[in-house]
Amino acid sequence: GAVVSQHPSRVICKSGTSVKIECRSLDFQATTMFWYRQFPKQSLMLMATSNEGSKATYEQGVEKDKFLINHASLTLSTLTVTSAHPEDSSFYICSARDWSSETQYFGPGTRLLVL
Amino acid sequence: AQTVTQSQPEMSVQEAETVTLSCTYDTSESDYYLFWYKQPPSRQMILVIRQEAYKQQNATENRFSVNFQKAAKSFSLKISDSQLGDAAMYFCAYRNPNTGNQFYFGTGTSLTVIP
Repeated sequence: GAVVSQHPSRVICKSGTSVKIECRSLDFQATTMFWYRQFPKQSLMLMATSNEGSKATYEQGVEKDKFLINHASLTLSTLTVTSAHPEDSSFYICSARDWSSETQYFGPGTRLLVL
Repeated sequence: AQTVTQSQPEMSVQEAETVTLSCTYDTSESDYYLFWYKQPPSRQMILVIRQEAYKQQNATENRFSVNFQKAAKSFSLKISDSQLGDAAMYFCAYRNPNTGNQFYFGTGTSLTVIP
């Protein structure tokens, strides 16, 4: 079946640095990818919608200058957390929409810890 | 944004017994999809079952079935013959293909299966 990968699976960084998380669709083309954030024991909250070749659409309350999203190809979207702070520590999950089947698949998530 | 409500933060069931998880949602749309996802400790989101709003027949997948009440905007999940491997967080989710395809998740229900 279709697979979505995320890299890295976990990352620890110092406060003030930037971290890039990759989301890849491995055997299908994804014109749209979504980025979610999940705090411990909470639900997934949509951060932004990433469209291939165009600007991302951010949900209300999500700072677009802090969470930079790039969807440069049909199989790759990246989320860069700029100037990370401890409150950005969370679990980040992407999902990718297979345009041919209208099905979405979730990545395994990336655990970010900012010290 | 759409709202999805899960009123049961925690549920438990005896192994081999049946349990029902509740979910209600709020939307003014007529065309949408509803899902139940399972999230085990690995945090990977696993699709349990999906229901198209235009279908009156309730979806079933082996031991998992739903009770979809469109007028009441209710979408409960029934797990029959519960197994130890069913223990996980369960999230109810809404998706509208006409307004962006992003998922809106409920707050989740933590299911414990008692041997």
